[in-house]
Amino acid sequence: EIVMTQSPATLSVSQGERATLSCRASQSINSNLAWYQQKPGQAPRLLIYAASTRATGIPARFSGSGSGTEFTLTISSLQSEDFAVYYCQQYHNWPPLTFGGGTKVEIK
Amino acid sequence: QVQLQESGPGLVKPSQTLSLTCTVSGGSIRSGGYYWSWIRQHPGKGLEWIGYTYYSGSTYYNPSLKSRVMISLDASKKQFSLRLSSVTAADTAVYYCARNLRHNGWFDPWGQGILVIVSS
Repeated sequence: EIVMTQSPATLSVSQGERATLSCRASQSINSNLAWYQQKPGQAPRLLIYAASTRATGIPARFSGSGSGTEFTLTISSLQSEDFAVYYCQQYHNWPPLTFGGGTKVEIK
Repeated sequence: QVQLQESGPGLVKPSQTLSLTCTVSGGSIRSGGYYWSWIRQHPGKGLEWIGYTYYSGSTYYNPSLKSRVMISLDASKKQFSLRLSSVTAADTAVYYCARNLRHNGWFDPWGQGILVIVSS
């Protein structure tokens, strides 16, 4: 099973600033990585797949990068609606499909 | 666009079987291009994939839950279901259904989720 590790666990950022979230895979997953956003009381929402492709309707301020074992989700200028928990998920070697533990982006 | 909706009891007694159903609307559950998955999230914790089913009836389960899980599909009702046996308090979680592509494992869309509490 591929283990996904996200850092930091919590990221404090001011509105309008840039946020950089990291995700590491326990072995190479090429670009087979997705990112999700989850707000309190809601289901996760797909943001990014194939490491860097934005899902339908996702604003351009969200971008993904990386391949192999190291990946990054960048939010270029945080808006109030972006404060949430973000999860990465690998789909390179599955089943099982596995998620990272999440990064909470909170208001500084 | 495809929408998914979970339904079932919100309270289950220890040692009993948890049973949930996901109803698919706005699209076909018979499409050969998709797997239909269950995912859970323990309170305040991360996401755990439980397993998936395919319209042909094939299934695959997370090894960590395999001995207690069964996922089935009823295409005529456009539903797929989760059964988790011998539940304990550790199975208290929000349970989500979701769709993923057969050849790409990201999940989209998701149902809204249903909280299931295991308690006597």
